[in-house]
Amino acid sequence: NAGVTQTPKFRILKIGQSMTLQCTQDMNHNYMYWYRQDPGMGLKLIYYSVGAGITDKGEVPNGYNVSRSTTEDFPLRLELAAPSQTSVYFCASTDHTDTQYFGPGTRLTVL
Amino acid sequence: AQKVTQAQTEISVVEKEDVTLDCVYETRDTTYYLFWYKQPPSGELVFLIRRNSFDEQNEISGRYSWNFQKSTSSFNFTITASQVVDSAVYFCALSEAVGSQGNLIFGKGTKLSVKP
Repeated sequence: NAGVTQTPKFRILKIGQSMTLQCTQDMNHNYMYWYRQDPGMGLKLIYYSVGAGITDKGEVPNGYNVSRSTTEDFPLRLELAAPSQTSVYFCASTDHTDTQYFGPGTRLTVL
Repeated sequence: AQKVTQAQTEISVVEKEDVTLDCVYETRDTTYYLFWYKQPPSGELVFLIRRNSFDEQNEISGRYSWNFQKSTSSFNFTITASQVVDSAVYFCALSEAVGSQGNLIFGKGTKLSVKP
């Protein structure tokens, strides 16, 4: 079992560029989440999904988009990168209130 | 509103000392879950424990123990005989059960440094 995998591990973007952060889980979990972690802070929810075809905004959704076409995949899209999006991004999955399993994170820098 | 407060930003101890990390939470729900995660310098999030709001029994796992007190809305974490490998940022988190999307609400974390 690979659990939750994320790619890439590191990325540097220029202001205005776009990119997609990939997240895949092999635990057949319905619930998936994207969080961001800023330096010295806890994680904040960007978007979440309760199943294929269903997504909704979290606490800090501005500047991001998501899709959920399959149970396994939950990509996060940044359309016009801004320096404020410099952060570490974590994807997680769970069976609702069960333990959330996190991916290894993607460290993104926007210059 | 839901909130998790970890008042200790940083703690530094010498190896073999005991250390307690505090966590206070706020929620309107009667059913909820509390978690502790460890984030070592490598950056990944490591699950430590999940606690149901109906189970106030304290838990011990090796050198780790957790004290859950609903009366004070606290879920404190104690490391006994700390080791250098315990150096990490520790996060307390809350998940509400009823009518929620199941996401975790995190505290800001406590950075623990254990010196040899």
